[in-house]
Amino acid sequence: IAGITQAPTSQILAAGRRMTLRCTQDMRHNAMYWYRQDLGLGLRLIHYSNTAGTTGKGEVPDGYSVSRANTDDFPLTLASAVPSQTSVYFCASSEGTGGTYEQYFGPGTRLTVT
Amino acid sequence: KNQVEQSPQSLIILEGKNCTLQCNYTVSPFSNLRWYKQDTGRGPVSLTIMTFSENTKSNGRYTATLDADTKQSSLHITASQLSDSASYICVVSAWGKIIFGKGTRLHILP
Repeated sequence: IAGITQAPTSQILAAGRRMTLRCTQDMRHNAMYWYRQDLGLGLRLIHYSNTAGTTGKGEVPDGYSVSRANTDDFPLTLASAVPSQTSVYFCASSEGTGGTYEQYFGPGTRLTVT
Repeated sequence: KNQVEQSPQSLIILEGKNCTLQCNYTVSPFSNLRWYKQDTGRGPVSLTIMTFSENTKSNGRYTATLDADTKQSSLHITASQLSDSASYICVVSAWGKIIFGKGTRLHILP
């Protein structure tokens, strides 16, 4: 059982380029999340999806978009990358919504925008 | 404003020693509190979860306590091991909203 996988593991991207971070889970979880983690700021929610076909904005959604075409996949797209989007990105999933359900995190994608 | 504050920011202890990490929150209404462990280069993994009615929860050498009246939680690590070197994140939930603390970075020295 893989749990949650993310790709790529790391990426260096030129500013202005488009980039999609991939996230796939095999636990049939309803909810999925994208976070960014920056030194001194902790984890911050970018976008979430409570179930396939729905998405919502988190704390820091600007510059990012997501889609949830099916249960397993939740890609995060940076339409035109900027240096401030340099961060480590974590995808997570949970069986349901709300804090009662444990979130399972992927291994992260380290993104550097130059 | 709902907030979760953790202290200290970082901590260095010798292998075999005990330590306690603190989490204070102003989240209301409180639903539950969870502690996560995040190893370097990995995603966070849940250690414990406590609801309003629980004041202690153990997971091996990790013991979490909760005082819902003072809105404080602590994570006590007994007989630390090198593998305990990690960041520990306190997460509080309220009405479906999940608020993350910034974490405590723990270094265990041999």
